[in-house]
Amino acid sequence: DGGITQSPKYLFRKEGQNVTLSCEQNLNHDAMYWYRQDPGQGLRLIYYSQIVNDFQKGDIAEGYSVSREKKESFPLTVTSAQKNPTAFYLCASTPAPCGTPDTYEQYFGPGTRLTVT
Amino acid sequence: EDQVTQSPEALRLQEGESSSLNCSYTVSGLRGLFWYRQDPGKGPEFLFTLYSAGEEKEKERLKATLTKKESFLHITAPKPEDSATYLCAVRTGANSKLTFGKGITLSVRP
Repeated sequence: DGGITQSPKYLFRKEGQNVTLSCEQNLNHDAMYWYRQDPGQGLRLIYYSQIVNDFQKGDIAEGYSVSREKKESFPLTVTSAQKNPTAFYLCASTPAPCGTPDTYEQYFGPGTRLTVT
Repeated sequence: EDQVTQSPEALRLQEGESSSLNCSYTVSGLRGLFWYRQDPGKGPEFLFTLYSAGEEKEKERLKATLTKKESFLHITAPKPEDSATYLCAVRTGANSKLTFGKGITLSVRP
């Protein structure tokens, strides 16, 4: 089955530790995104990548880093510089960054809930 | 700066009681408005995309409409399984970035 997988579903870390969240897709989508969701805040864009080996900062990139070495994978590292890392993290993808209008629909993974204490 | 406002924040309906969810937007050049459904602890599920004022799309008990300033998600004769958070998002730039509203939490009582 084609889709987006995020692992793990739940992640616990101590304050001061870096942690990497996995996002893999087998949909052959070009663009991938990372969002953070907090209660009452909606989805906020962290980073996005429209093509392999290229990515751009979103609205709340501070304290996060990403890489896009393969089309299928877009891991997110939450660094110790992120002041409030506890949140629900969502990965998404779209078929193509510059295609027909239908290709801009984003499809989401199941999410990773990160708790930092 | 693009802004998306959803109202009300929460809505409680009796089963069968039809209603509408609102998504108003202030953007420079709308290139698409998206509706998603999100169940607790899960990723959002795509519902509809609307591109121009006057456009309407339907799926089962849901109907999405679009004007130049807002979109409505009409729910006809809702069932308890329609309980979820409904998210609205807009695309304005040449790339595929979306700006999301905060969502509307819908509860449907049997």
